[in-house]
Order: sequence, then C-alpha cells, then structure tokens
Amino acid sequence: DIQMTQSPSSLSASVGDTVTITCRASQSMNNYLNWYQQKAGEAPKLLIYSASTLQSGVPSRFSGRRSGTDFILTISSLQPEDFAAYYCQQTYLTPWTFGQGTKVEIK
Amino acid sequence: QVQLQQWGAGLLKPSETLSLTCAVNGGSFSGYHWSWIRQPPGKGLEWIGEIDHSGYTNYNPSLESRVTITVDTSKNQFSLKLSSLTAADTAVYYCTRVRWLTKTHDYWGQGTLITVSS
Repeated sequence: DIQMTQSPSSLSASVGDTVTITCRASQSMNNYLNWYQQKAGEAPKLLIYSASTLQSGVPSRFSGRRSGTDFILTISSLQPEDFAAYYCQQTYLTPWTFGQGTKVEIK
Repeated sequence: QVQLQQWGAGLLKPSETLSLTCAVNGGSFSGYHWSWIRQPPGKGLEWIGEIDHSGYTNYNPSLESRVTITVDTSKNQFSLKLSSLTAADTAVYYCTRVRWLTKTHDYWGQGTLITVSS
C-alpha cells in the first residue's frame, strides 16, 4: 500500500494567514493526489484533484503543487470558513489511501 | 444536482453484518464508479472499495474477506455489506460518487454512524 504521511497533524492560525500542509507518499506516484476539506459533522468536500487542479466552485485561495513525492496544499489569506480538517488521498494505486489529516484551528 | 442518500441500521452487535444502501438522484449512474469510505469517531478516512455500473468491484485488501459491494442499476442504487463485525468497525460510513477520469470522490452521502456494541 502507498502510505501518505501528512503533516502537521494540527496547526493554529489567524484569519489572513497563509498555511501549508504537506503529504509525503511512501513511493513514487503520479499526480493522482486529491485534497479534501471536512468540517465538523459533515462529509468531506473535494478541493483539489490531480495534485493542482481546483475543483469547480472552490475559492482560488486554495492551491496545490507537487515536489517529488511531496504534495503541498496552500491556503492563502485564511478565512473563517476555512477552519476545518484537511485530508490528502492518493488514487494512483489501490487500495486508495488517505493521509492522517490536518486540523486547522483558530489561533 | 446530484444527491446521494444513504440508509441502514445504525446499532449492531458483534459478529452481525452491516448493510447500507445508497440511492443516487440526478446525473448519470452508468458513467461513474461508486464507493464506500468510513471514518471511526475522531479518526481519519479509510477507503473500503468501489464498484462500477457493470458490477466490477475493487476492495481494500484489509477488508476484502468481509466486504461485498453490489449495484442495482434499475434503481440507481448501490449497497455495502460488511460481515463479522467487531467494535473496530464502529465508524461513520459514507457512500461517494467516483469520477473515474480524475479518480476523485466528487459527491458524498450524508454519512451513517454505525455502532457495534454488545
């Protein structure tokens, strides 16, 4: 299985900050890497797919990029509605696997 | 607008079988794959498996011996059965639509909390 190591597990930030979340794959893979946002009590929501493509309707302050086996989610100018948990997922090989998640909290 | 509506019994005993169904309203059914994902309370997400409209399945090897996913194209529904339940299977279970070209879960059901307890 491809292990996705996500960091940090949690972070505190203020409105307007820029935050970065990283997922490292345990082996080489292509760009089948997705990012999801999950708010408390809700189902996850697709934010970014193919490592860097924004899902329709997602604000442009969310962006994704790849550097080798590292996949990075950046949220620029954090908004109050962005405080949530974020998960990466690789869909390069089955079983599809998720990172452990990052909880973004208000400082 | 695509909606996934899921249902099933929420409180089960150890050794019993979980049974969930997900109905798809709106959009094409045959043009997508369909999957189940679960999330233990306070923990992360685990992919259980997926099925296409013809019934071809792909399961997580960690659950494969206990999982069955089926599809009913006449009703635009798909279902999950998970047998030999233990407390470790306690989780919120989600059904999702899989856009195969991008391999993304683009629509999700509302989630069903399954509690396994004697």
